Amino acid sequence: NAGVTQTPKFQVLKTGQSMTLQCAQDMNHNSMYWYRQDPGMGLRLIYYSASEGTTDKGEVPNGYNVSRLNKREFSLRLESAAPSQTSVYFCASNLDRDSPLHFGNGTRLTVT
Amino acid sequence: QKEVEQNSGPLSVPEGAIASLNCTYSDRGSQSFFWYRQYSGKSPELIMFIYSNGDKEDGRFTAQLNKASQYVSLLIRDSQPSDSATYLCAVNNAGNMLTFGGGTRLMVKP
Repeated sequence: NAGVTQTPKFQVLKTGQSMTLQCAQDMNHNSMYWYRQDPGMGLRLIYYSASEGTTDKGEVPNGYNVSRLNKREFSLRLESAAPSQTSVYFCASNLDRDSPLHFGNGTRLTVT
Repeated sequence: QKEVEQNSGPLSVPEGAIASLNCTYSDRGSQSFFWYRQYSGKSPELIMFIYSNGDKEDGRFTAQLNKASQYVSLLIRDSQPSDSATYLCAVNNAGNMLTFGGGTRLMVKP
C-alpha cells in the first residue's frame, strides 16, 4: 500500500522553465491537496480538489495550475518558474474535509 | 492576524517531562483539529485529531480542545529524545480548507 506518491523528489529549474509535479494516491480518497512549505511560513495551501472533477484555489495559487486527472491523480504545474517558487511541495489526500490528511514524501524544488 | 497561531519555539524540555504545545485559531466555525509531527526533511505525519471539546488521549499524547476559547493543545507525557521534531497544528475552517500553523519546534534533551 503506497499511500500518496509524489514525483519527482528533487528538481532544479531555471527561471522561466515549466514543469509538472505528479501526485497519485491509492487510498480511494475523494479530496487531494497541494501545499508548499517554506521556512518560518508553515504549510500553505496552493490548490485543492474536493472531489474528482473539481478544483479550487487555496491561499497561494498565483503562478500555479492544477489538474485532477481522475480520482487517483492530482498534478501541479508551474508554467513559468520564478525564484519565489523555490520551496518544498507536498501533495496530500483525505477521504473528506474532516478526515486526517495523508502526505506524500515531498518535492524539493529550486528555481535559479 | 494568522488564522492558526503557534509559538515557533524552540520548546526545550528534559527527557521524561511533559511537553505542552499550544495552538490558537480564529475561525469560530472550525470543526476539525489535527496535530502533525514533522521530522526535519520529512513529510508531516498525523499524531492526533479531535473534534469535540475536552480531552482525547492516545498513549503518551493528549489533545485538548476548548472551542469557546479557540485553542487546542497537545500534551506529550514522558517526553523522549525521539519526540524532538516540529509539531504542526491544523484546523479545518468553514471554507473547507485545512489551515496549518507555523509549527512549534520541540527539543527533548537527554
